[in-house]
Amino acid sequence: GENVEQHPSTLSVQEGDSAVIKCTYSDSASNYFPWYKQELGKRPQLIIDIRSNVGEKKDQRIAVTLNKTAKHFSLHITETQPEDSAVYFCAASKNTDKLIFGTGTRLQVFP
Amino acid sequence: DVKVTQSSRYLVKRTGEKVFLECVQDMDHENMFWYRQDPGLGLRLIYFSYDVKMKEKGDIPEGYSVSREKKERFSLILESASTNQTSMYLCASKAGARGYTFGSGTRLTVV
Repeated sequence: GENVEQHPSTLSVQEGDSAVIKCTYSDSASNYFPWYKQELGKRPQLIIDIRSNVGEKKDQRIAVTLNKTAKHFSLHITETQPEDSAVYFCAASKNTDKLIFGTGTRLQVFP
Repeated sequence: DVKVTQSSRYLVKRTGEKVFLECVQDMDHENMFWYRQDPGLGLRLIYFSYDVKMKEKGDIPEGYSVSREKKERFSLILESASTNQTSMYLCASKAGARGYTFGSGTRLTVV
């Protein structure tokens, strides 16, 4: 079955800097890759997603890139703010079927 | 907005007890999922269901069962709770081509 690896497990950045979180997946048939943000004590919330027919997608300060050949995808956050501090999870699935999640990245943005 | 409601925010149960975790969604979604969340391990899929009375095992089904008698309700059952089932349990539902909507989670402690 699908296996998703996520790095780094923790990431500390200064406010205003960029943050990058990377994930790799094992099943070449996977074609849907969402990212979730989980603030402390809250439920995970979908922040951006990408499908395999697209190489990059942007939404304001966040972007996701996908390299199907290498089977990896990344989340990029620019001009980070303290409210970006959270745990971020990547996931992969086939045809938006059941999601298999990475192990999470704890992002801390210091003022 | 889709609402996914988990009946309990915190639960403390004794080893060997039978435990029911309830999840209800209000948007007529076909697909419902149970995950457990543990530090460093991310979200791991326990069971999922694509329709009433239908269930499929996820990656870690041992020690759990599920029930889906009505479309809106998906119950996770711990037949005989053990201390290694102490965890945060997250229910999610999905319809169509986007990602999940999660419930707020149930933090279960087995003593």
